[in-house]
Amino acid sequence: LAKTTQPISMDSYEGQEVNITCSHNNIATNDYITWYQQFPSQGPRFIIQGYKTKVTNEVASLFIPADRKSSTLSLPRVSLSDTAVYYCLVGDSGTGGYNKLIFGAGTRLAVHP
Amino acid sequence: GAVVSQHPSWVICKSGTSVKIECRSLDFQATTMFWYRQFPKQSLMLMATSNEGSKATYEQGVEKDKFLINHASLTLSTLTVTSAHPEDSSFYICSARWDPPQETQYFGPGTRLLVL
Repeated sequence: LAKTTQPISMDSYEGQEVNITCSHNNIATNDYITWYQQFPSQGPRFIIQGYKTKVTNEVASLFIPADRKSSTLSLPRVSLSDTAVYYCLVGDSGTGGYNKLIFGAGTRLAVHP
Repeated sequence: GAVVSQHPSWVICKSGTSVKIECRSLDFQATTMFWYRQFPKQSLMLMATSNEGSKATYEQGVEKDKFLINHASLTLSTLTVTSAHPEDSSFYICSARWDPPQETQYFGPGTRLLVL
């Protein structure tokens, strides 16, 4: 089972900031939090990864509270091209220690003109 | 950096034939590669994990004799769908990762398989 819970869908408009929150109540000490973006018929694209506090790169910010039981992906000033499915994942350092990623349903973001 | 390629990008085959899909890490050495499949409007489902030089670890419910995985080098893994049937038609995606603890996986563009 996926270790994360996030909204199934969200709608926004061009130019707005979008925040997608993900719950991961059972996150392990060694787990990082990673977000991916996927367009139809394409492989997921890495957006951002973090362990705690705040991480920012050229496309997004990731906010992680001290208890690490949730995280929020922030997309500033979205455009139509940001319409995609966004997945929040935490590593699974369980069987075999291979840190496999189990995908949940993701959040379908629709950006409107 | 961190580019993963897949070949072919799409393939159509007749029922009963075998199909091989290649996954390559182009600019890094991948100690671990993963294979996923995705049906329309659904999320990615992990099929198996492979480490270079060792046997793949399959997820529960995935037939290892049906989906043969070979991770021959640090830059190449292959997935062979043996005796393919229409229900095997799907979008197959690989990912690659170097050593932990970052755990970041980089995904290939996917391969669309259609079995007639």
